[in-house]
Amino acid sequence: DTAVSQTPKYLVTQMGNDKSIKCEQNLGHDTMYWYKQDSKKFLKIMFSYNNKELIINETVPNRFSPKSPDKAHLNLHINSLELGDSAVYFCASSQNGANTEAFFGQGTRLTVV
Amino acid sequence: AQKITQTQPGMFVQEKEAVTLDCTYDTSDPSYGLFWYKQPSSGEMIFLIYQGSYDQQNATEGRYSLNFQKARKSANLVISASQLGDSAMYFCAMREPNTGNQFYFGTGTSLTVIP
Repeated sequence: DTAVSQTPKYLVTQMGNDKSIKCEQNLGHDTMYWYKQDSKKFLKIMFSYNNKELIINETVPNRFSPKSPDKAHLNLHINSLELGDSAVYFCASSQNGANTEAFFGQGTRLTVV
Repeated sequence: AQKITQTQPGMFVQEKEAVTLDCTYDTSDPSYGLFWYKQPSSGEMIFLIYQGSYDQQNATEGRYSLNFQKARKSANLVISASQLGDSAMYFCAMREPNTGNQFYFGTGTSLTVIP
């Protein structure tokens, strides 16, 4: 049983397209996240979503939007894709509190051409 | 200011030797958690070890231990008896309950184990 699963694993698309990445967790966690890992391996928080409270990193363009149909899912929608959006996107989940780790999905490698 | 700083972009260690990966953090919150993750070339993020801000003893998990120096705000990862499979990127992370339960990551250290 995969704890945090995200699909697709690879996504190649053209500039200007709109795409979605899906994420599901079966751990019963309260908080879900999206991270972007660039070519230098830096992990940047994009969103965290906890009990319908969305916290957005202010540097994330509004072309990116998270959608949470329920507590177990947090999908990432990206409009008008740009070359600079090429990266690996990780979904993660955790329980609340400072003492519990985050569980990560396997990542989605997005390539915009 | 960076919440997590990892000053070693790359490290090399001989197989079977111990290695220390540095991590310093910045917070004014008395309650926080510190974490280390491993990212092998296959790309997945693997949780290694956790240290709570109120923990009196350093955390240990098998060959991994965390050298926690609270006054210096450092949380270095020590890997003992390095193995070839330890070659990977290592990320230090911090979590504060008062900042939306987010995990803040350092820039990572690339560790290469030499046979």
